[in-house]
Amino acid sequence: SAVISQKPSRDICQRGTSLTIQCQVDSQVTMMFWYRQQPGQSLTLIATANQGSEATYESGFVIDKFPISRPNLTFSTLTVSNMSPEDSSIYLCSVTGGNEKLFFGSGTQLSVL
Amino acid sequence: GENVEQHPSTLSVQEGDSAVIKCTYSDSASNYFPWYKQELGKRPQLIIDIRSNVGEKKDQRIAVTLNKTAKHFSLHITETQPEDSAVYFCAASIGGSQGNLIFGKGTKLSVKP
Repeated sequence: SAVISQKPSRDICQRGTSLTIQCQVDSQVTMMFWYRQQPGQSLTLIATANQGSEATYESGFVIDKFPISRPNLTFSTLTVSNMSPEDSSIYLCSVTGGNEKLFFGSGTQLSVL
Repeated sequence: GENVEQHPSTLSVQEGDSAVIKCTYSDSASNYFPWYKQELGKRPQLIIDIRSNVGEKKDQRIAVTLNKTAKHFSLHITETQPEDSAVYFCAASIGGSQGNLIFGKGTKLSVKP
């Protein structure tokens, strides 16, 4: 499976600020996915990011709040904008490997005060 | 919208006993059903998966069964060990995309020595 690294691993942020999360993969992948896991909850897909095209957002998530970049086949960023305490979650980057199985990055634990 | 129901939410078993977790899904187009194990503070790890053209799959102590007609699938863990203690998530693909998954709410499994 691919090695997926995320930065930062955790952060504590002030209300109203923005945080950009980076996701680096050790191999080229076509599709990258960003998931959110709220405290003690399940995983919810935020958006799918393909290189060279706009990200596709799931219901309840919008580009202005969660802008995504996908500049090449090994890297993506997710920005959480104008944060509120409700944005406190673990954000997970994920990719489908050569066998199309989904693997998750190490996650970014975000706390908003 | 699409939905995955998972039961039970918590499960406690004695070491050596079997554990069964059940899920139902709503999207008839779902064709891929993975199971993830998440230990506290760690990323979800894929433990087994099944595609819609298969009714059962086994990997050592873990097995998954799928009833596509009834839209049910289940995880079976035999000879449970304390290290099996974790939260388990079932998921179903949205349409034909194996990276675009809808997750169940999770089952917290506790295996008592």
